[in-house]
Amino acid sequence: QVQLTESGPGLVHPSETLSLTCTVSGFSLTGYSVYWVRQPSGKGLEWMGRMRYNGDTSYNSALKSRLSISRDTSKNQVFLKMNSLQTDDTGTYYCTRDNVAPFAYWGQGTLVTVSS
Amino acid sequence: DIVMTQSPFSLAVSEGEMVTINCKSSQSLLSSGNQKNYLAWYQQKPGQSPKLLIYYASTRQSGVPDRFIGSGSGTDFTLTISDVQAEDLADYYCLQHYSYPLTFGSGTKLEIK
Repeated sequence: QVQLTESGPGLVHPSETLSLTCTVSGFSLTGYSVYWVRQPSGKGLEWMGRMRYNGDTSYNSALKSRLSISRDTSKNQVFLKMNSLQTDDTGTYYCTRDNVAPFAYWGQGTLVTVSS
Repeated sequence: DIVMTQSPFSLAVSEGEMVTINCKSSQSLLSSGNQKNYLAWYQQKPGQSPKLLIYYASTRQSGVPDRFIGSGSGTDFTLTISDVQAEDLADYYCLQHYSYPLTFGSGTKLEIK
């Protein structure tokens, strides 16, 4: 079955770079796009960017200057890197996949706290 | 960017009642090519990841109870939950997937009296 699992450091210091990994199973990264969505603590959902099935990427313009998404198809992993983190980047980060509809499958999310 | 305006911010109802959540987009989400509205609804229960309920404005995701009904077209959309159950306690979000960047509504918190 389709599974997505996020992993990351948990705590990041201000101005540092966040690195997250989404490990997938039950499907191929060359057949489906994977997206990153985040949820600042106590707030709503924000689409961050996507890794398309063909290797192309697209980003939320509000984050584009700080964000990079890549993948390793041999390891079934998609990576998110975001630099210059600030306290308002604290929240839960999800990877998700579409089916016919967007965001049909979600990981459990990984909580990232930005604090000194 | 398409702005999604969702209302109300929160509502509280008793079990068995009906609720309506609204979502308005700043531009039409109706594709002239296939006549589909690119609007989806998600439910997020406390401590859980969001769950897809409705896509193409009115198509229910497999396994979603039929008391969840999506309607609307163009720029105005509604999620109706009839016969609300205690298990429906959650935040609800709309999402436009008509164009990038994909954008969510601000969310509606449903509380059960």
